[in-house]
Amino acid sequence: GAVVSQHPSRVICKSGTSVKIECRSLDFQATTMFWYRQFPKKSLMLMATSNEGSKATYEQGVEKDKFLINHASLTLSTLTVTSAHPEDSSFYICSARDEGLAIYEQYFGPGTRLTVT
Amino acid sequence: RKEVEQDPGPFNVPEGATVAFNCTYSNSASQSFFWYRQDCRKEPKLLMSVYSSGNEDGRFTAQLNRASQYISLLIRDSKLSDSATYLCVVNDYGGSQGNLIFGKGTKLSVKP
Repeated sequence: GAVVSQHPSRVICKSGTSVKIECRSLDFQATTMFWYRQFPKKSLMLMATSNEGSKATYEQGVEKDKFLINHASLTLSTLTVTSAHPEDSSFYICSARDEGLAIYEQYFGPGTRLTVT
Repeated sequence: RKEVEQDPGPFNVPEGATVAFNCTYSNSASQSFFWYRQDCRKEPKLLMSVYSSGNEDGRFTAQLNRASQYISLLIRDSKLSDSATYLCVVNDYGGSQGNLIFGKGTKLSVKP
């Protein structure tokens, strides 16, 4: 299956700082990547859809100025959590869709566990 | 509101048991259906896509009933390694990106 990497896997930061998370598709090109957030014992919630070469599409209730998304190439999307606060502590997971496939399978990165102190 | 509903479980079963999970979805226009499994504190991994005719992959069988908007997953001869949370996933047809809607998952625990 397609491989998606995510970096870092774990980050602890102080309140008020910004954190950048990278998502890469390693063996395929992805014009579309997705960013999810998952709180403990909750389902994955889509935050935004990242589009290569254009602006991201954010889900309702997700602040675009707080969660900055850049999709600069066909294999890389980044999510920056700006001015992080403890309530932003969560498991952030990206996924990418292999554009060569006809159906909507998504492949997930291993996730980034963010803890804001 | 577009939703995917699953029984959260947990399902506690002995090794070798057969277990079935069900899922319902609200968007009748959905076209693609999947089962993912997620281990504790890990990312979801695609288990299998679900096709209209039903499909089988080893010990796993998935069924789709479009009329009832119902999806099922059957696991035969459960192994300890099957312990995980199983996520029912449906594409958000009508959205321009083909986004996926995740159920909250059904937790399975297989005991020796």
